[in-house]
Amino acid sequence: DIQMTQSPSSLSASVGDRVTITCRASQDISNYLAWYQQKPGKVPKLLIYGASTLQSGVPSRFSGSGSGTDFTLTISSLQPEDVATYYCQKYNSPPRTFGGGTKVEIK
Amino acid sequence: QVQLVESGGGVVQPGGSLRLSCAASGFTFSSYSIHWVRQAPGKGLDWVTVISSDGTKKSFADSVAGRFTISRDNSKSTVFLHMNSLTAEDTALYYCARGSIVGAKRPHDYWGQGTPVTVSS
Repeated sequence: DIQMTQSPSSLSASVGDRVTITCRASQDISNYLAWYQQKPGKVPKLLIYGASTLQSGVPSRFSGSGSGTDFTLTISSLQPEDVATYYCQKYNSPPRTFGGGTKVEIK
Repeated sequence: QVQLVESGGGVVQPGGSLRLSCAASGFTFSSYSIHWVRQAPGKGLDWVTVISSDGTKKSFADSVAGRFTISRDNSKSTVFLHMNSLTAEDTALYYCARGSIVGAKRPHDYWGQGTPVTVSS
């Protein structure tokens, strides 16, 4: 099965900072990569799909890039409401493996 | 509006069984695959299983294969997760989530609120 590796596992940044999270697939998954945001005690929310397509209603400060095996989620200007854990997931075929998650905090 | 509502969670003894339900509304249920994703307390998201739109194709995570089964009743817009031989490692919040539509692979754009499962003696 394809493994999904996220890094870092956690980060702390200041409001307004540019934040980058990476996700690596152990095999080529084309662009079948999604990013989710999960705030404490809440249901995961789809942010980006197709590696770079913003889900409706998601702020434009979020962006995604990559294809094949290497992907990136970028928050261009970190806001207090972005405190959450972010997960990548492959969805080209089962199993739809998630990355381990990246916990984002405000410094 | 699209809604997914899980039910059936609870406390069960090790080795026991439980059946979870996921009732859907607000979309053409028979056109979408449905997935189950779980999250153990304080841990990350863990994909569990999927059933295709017509119920003919199913796939399971290695950790549950042979113990869990999945079924659906398109006439009632409901998916069922049958969990057997439960262990403490199955303790988690279980979410159902919408998946691909016929002809197009899609991520999980809608999720239920989850139903908790605790395996404990």
